[in-house]
Amino acid sequence: ETGVTQSPTHLIKTRGQQVTLRCSSQSGHNTVSWYQQALGQGPQFIFQYYREEENGRGNFPPRFSGLQFPNYSSELNVNALELDDSALYLCASTPDRGDSPLHFGNGTRLTVT
Amino acid sequence: SQQGEEDPQALSIQEGENATMNCSYKTSINNLQWYRQNSGRGLVHLILIRSNEREKHSGRLRVTLDTSKKSSSLLITASRAADTASYFCATAPNSGGYQKVTFGTGTKLQVIP
Repeated sequence: ETGVTQSPTHLIKTRGQQVTLRCSSQSGHNTVSWYQQALGQGPQFIFQYYREEENGRGNFPPRFSGLQFPNYSSELNVNALELDDSALYLCASTPDRGDSPLHFGNGTRLTVT
Repeated sequence: SQQGEEDPQALSIQEGENATMNCSYKTSINNLQWYRQNSGRGLVHLILIRSNEREKHSGRLRVTLDTSKKSSSLLITASRAADTASYFCATAPNSGGYQKVTFGTGTKLQVIP
């Protein structure tokens, strides 16, 4: 069973640039959630994708957008990067939209300078 | 926004001692989950307790849930140096549709060998 994988592991971008983060869900999982974790904080829910559709969104501006592909892998796109976007971005998958535990990848550490 | 708050924020104990972490949350829930995070890595699911359960055990872990007080506790017995990590409670809402799992602020546990 292949776990959740994220790429890249680290990324440095300049304010105003755009970034794309990638996530491969665990085998058999069709639901992907993205979280932002600032240093010393708990993860904050960005949005969830279920069968290629956005299935819920947290309190993040529209410049945070996503995609889910037919193989259930997912992308997180952030436009017009701001310094406060510097964080660990975590992807988690579940086998459905129900109350199954989240299976997390190891995250992408984004630094915006 | 964080749904839950963990207490204490940090805890340092000797190997072999028990560690207790508490979590308080604000809204009604379907279930409450505990996760562990080693420094800078993804979160690992530890245990899930449903709103109609009061106590659950898994190995050296014991979780209690008091929905009337909107609180939960995680007890780790006979701690080991390898238990050093941050621990987060997370709640899933008591509503239909997608599962927006909301995390608390975390307890940083240090187990001294």
